[in-house]
Amino acid sequence: GENVEQHPSTLSVQEGDSAVIKCTYSDSASNYFPWYKQELGKGPQLIIDIRSNVGEKKDQRIAVTLNKTAKHFSLHITETQPEDSAVYFCAASIDYGQNFVFGPGTRLSVLP
Amino acid sequence: EADIYQTPRYLVIGTGKKITLECSQTMGHDKMYWYQQDPGMELHLIHYSYGVNSTEKGDLSSESTVSRIRTEHFPLTLESARPSHTSQYLCASSEFGDGYNEQFFGPGTRLTVL
Repeated sequence: GENVEQHPSTLSVQEGDSAVIKCTYSDSASNYFPWYKQELGKGPQLIIDIRSNVGEKKDQRIAVTLNKTAKHFSLHITETQPEDSAVYFCAASIDYGQNFVFGPGTRLSVLP
Repeated sequence: EADIYQTPRYLVIGTGKKITLECSQTMGHDKMYWYQQDPGMELHLIHYSYGVNSTEKGDLSSESTVSRIRTEHFPLTLESARPSHTSQYLCASSEFGDGYNEQFFGPGTRLTVL
């Protein structure tokens, strides 16, 4: 079955710096890769996603890149702000999002 | 903002009690899920449902049970709570069908069993 690894498990950056979180997946049939953000006391919320036929997607300060050959995808956050502090989960799906396998999460702290 | 609700948000109970965690959504989604989130953050799928009268076990074995009598409602029950059940429980829902489907999560129930 699918296995998703995520690194680092914790990440601290200074406000204004960039943050990068990397995930690898095992099943080459995976076709959908969402990223979720979980703020304290809340459930995870989708922030960006990428499909297997796209190499990069950007939405304001966040971007995701996908390397299908290497089976890894990354989340990039530029100009980080304190409100970016949260736990981030990557996920992979082989059936267009019907079922996900989540990574173990990355706790991002943006220091003022 | 997702229209998916969980009650209670926090629950502290004694060992051996029967509890039901409620989850409801107003989006008309067919598919619903229960995740257990351990203190290390990781999300573990424990139950899911494709629609009314459908219930399936997830990747992580759980002593809890679920039911799906109505589309909008997916309660999780523990017949006899134990300290090992202490965790955060997250409910989610999504459309079921062709296309890329986002999972919408509720705010979670934090359960503590003494």
